[in-house]
Amino acid sequence: EVQLVESGGGLVQPGGSLRLSCAASGFTFSDKWMHWVRQAPGEGLVWVSRLRGDGSDTTYVDSVRGRFTISRDNAKNTLYLQMTSLRAEDTAVYYCASESYYGLGVWGQGTTVTVSS
Amino acid sequence: DIQMTQSPSSLSASVGDRVTITCRASQDIRNYLAWYQQKPGKVPKLLIYVASTLQSGVPTRFSGSGSGTDFTLTISSLQPEDVATYYCQNYNRVPLVFGPGTKVDI
Repeated sequence: EVQLVESGGGLVQPGGSLRLSCAASGFTFSDKWMHWVRQAPGEGLVWVSRLRGDGSDTTYVDSVRGRFTISRDNAKNTLYLQMTSLRAEDTAVYYCASESYYGLGVWGQGTTVTVSS
Repeated sequence: DIQMTQSPSSLSASVGDRVTITCRASQDIRNYLAWYQQKPGKVPKLLIYVASTLQSGVPTRFSGSGSGTDFTLTISSLQPEDVATYYCQNYNRVPLVFGPGTKVDI
């Protein structure tokens, strides 16, 4: 079964850091572009970042560039999102997703990040 | 960056109705447009990619069309389980922006 399982969310103070993980199973992880998408409470979907299968190409939305870093460990079938200088507006459910045929075909269940003092 | 808009922002229809949602891109994205369904409290689900190709397992009452800047998602006969918010997404160039969503109620 194809599955993505996120972890690492929690409550963090403004200016703090957090690292999210996404464990993949059921497919050849290293073949897939992987993405992070977030959704603030009651709001729509926001694409955050993507990373090529071999780790050679990364892209970020402007609002997180320079603060967030996407990475992967293909030996562990795991995707990461290192988040620093967190702000209240980063509060959201963070989903990892794998790309298939020009769409995000598989999504994890999400992990919640709350930035508050 | 490419901006995505959707209309309407919400709609209410009856079971069996034909429902149409429109998505517009601020620049030509050819046919690199994806549609997602997110039911209340659930994870988003890919419905359609490259504007008109149905993802495996998606009911055939869903269809997509369009190219360039104007796209449409159609539900041919609305069912109770289709209550959800529907999002389009530019898949032509980064950032892969989502539209603001269309909430469909019965």
